[in-house]
Amino acid sequence: QKEVEQNSGPLSVPEGAIASLNCTYSDRGSQSFFWYRQYSGKSPELIMFIYSNGDKEDGRFTAQLNKASQYVSLLIRDSQPSDSATYLCAVRVVSGSARQLTFGSGTQLTVLP
Amino acid sequence: DGGITQSPKYLFRKEGQNVTLSCEQNLNHDAMYWYRQDPGQGLRLIYYSQIVNDFQKGDIAEGYSVSREKKESFPLTVTSAQKNPTAFYLCATTSGTAYGYTFGSGTRLTVV
Repeated sequence: QKEVEQNSGPLSVPEGAIASLNCTYSDRGSQSFFWYRQYSGKSPELIMFIYSNGDKEDGRFTAQLNKASQYVSLLIRDSQPSDSATYLCAVRVVSGSARQLTFGSGTQLTVLP
Repeated sequence: DGGITQSPKYLFRKEGQNVTLSCEQNLNHDAMYWYRQDPGQGLRLIYYSQIVNDFQKGDIAEGYSVSREKKESFPLTVTSAQKNPTAFYLCATTSGTAYGYTFGSGTRLTVV
């Protein structure tokens, strides 16, 4: 079982719709959760992070965390064509002195005009 | 401006050659990381360093080497032992366990 799993997609939504991206993780010791956006040929860019159960909103983005279900999601409201990118879920498990993020393989999102 | 500089942006390697990818940061971050990304894949950890003169292997360290002689710099050498080096290489730093990573712009390595 992969440590961090994402549906690879591609996921297509019409402009103005809500895009829902999902991520599950295997280690119950996971403490921090991050969403990165990566445009084609570019490096990942941090867009959201969440540490506690519940929802965290930032503009059109909402991150949702459920530690009991080992599930984190990203909602993008009023999706725009500029949101078309690959979204990477990353999870941090602090073990010993290690400070590493484990990444999922990413979900490719296309927002159709 | 504070940030991470990776160079070169594109690199071509001949069979049997060693090549070195540069990563420099002026963020004063302790921890630095090298990741490899293949098309349609996530990021896989090659090496990481939490302090100067110390580094640890990641999941795919074979065929790679690093050094950390100063806080600002964490170069990655792709040796001839790495049989399939064509990939997008990303350097990242972090200021602490509560924070995510900041990535450089990446180096795209191609074997010719």
